[in-house]
Amino acid sequence: DADVTQTPRNRITKTGKRIMLECSQTKGHDRMYWYRQDPGLGLQLIYYSFDVKDINKGEISDGYSVSRQAQAKFSLSLESAIPNQTALYFCATSDGVGNEQFFGPGTRLTVL
Amino acid sequence: GQNIDQPTEMTATEGAIVQINCTYQTSGFNGLFWYQQHAGEAPTFLSYNVLDGLEEKGRFSSFLSRSKGYSYLLLKELQMKDSASYLCAVLGSARQLTFGSGTQLTVLP
Repeated sequence: DADVTQTPRNRITKTGKRIMLECSQTKGHDRMYWYRQDPGLGLQLIYYSFDVKDINKGEISDGYSVSRQAQAKFSLSLESAIPNQTALYFCATSDGVGNEQFFGPGTRLTVL
Repeated sequence: GQNIDQPTEMTATEGAIVQINCTYQTSGFNGLFWYQQHAGEAPTFLSYNVLDGLEEKGRFSSFLSRSKGYSYLLLKELQMKDSASYLCAVLGSARQLTFGSGTQLTVLP
């Protein structure tokens, strides 16, 4: 079984809809991250959490919110989706600041 | 601010050696990562450098010069499966990982 899972894997929605992307991990890591990737670009950090009570904004947090329901679960919400939020979204985990991040398989989101 | 530069595309021949460069200007420095990403897939970790010098791991090596804000990833004995995007990422003082746009490597037979 995969250590970092994301649901859904693909989603098509309409402008103005509320969307939640979910991430779960079985690695026992405290640190979790949400990134988005646009075609031909690197990953941009949306939000990160170093434990259940520690949530921080990344470089592109506007239009997004997150919830860390438990050590193993970190959800990303788009309160009112817009077309320029169409992208590939990755969740990642790590067990230390200088340690490698393990990525989930990604969620491809299309906002029409 | 954070600025990471790497070439957009590179092409090399199977069996050859290729060097992918990365230069960076960041607020603080706590290490540099290289990730490999095949199309439509998740990035996977290749290497981490925090001190100057060369780190070797099988066919892949990574070099860091902190004074020059420079790193490279060296791939030897290229294989077709090495065709992928290679992402340079810097861990800055804000505990965040900042990624470059990636270098798309194409390995030709």
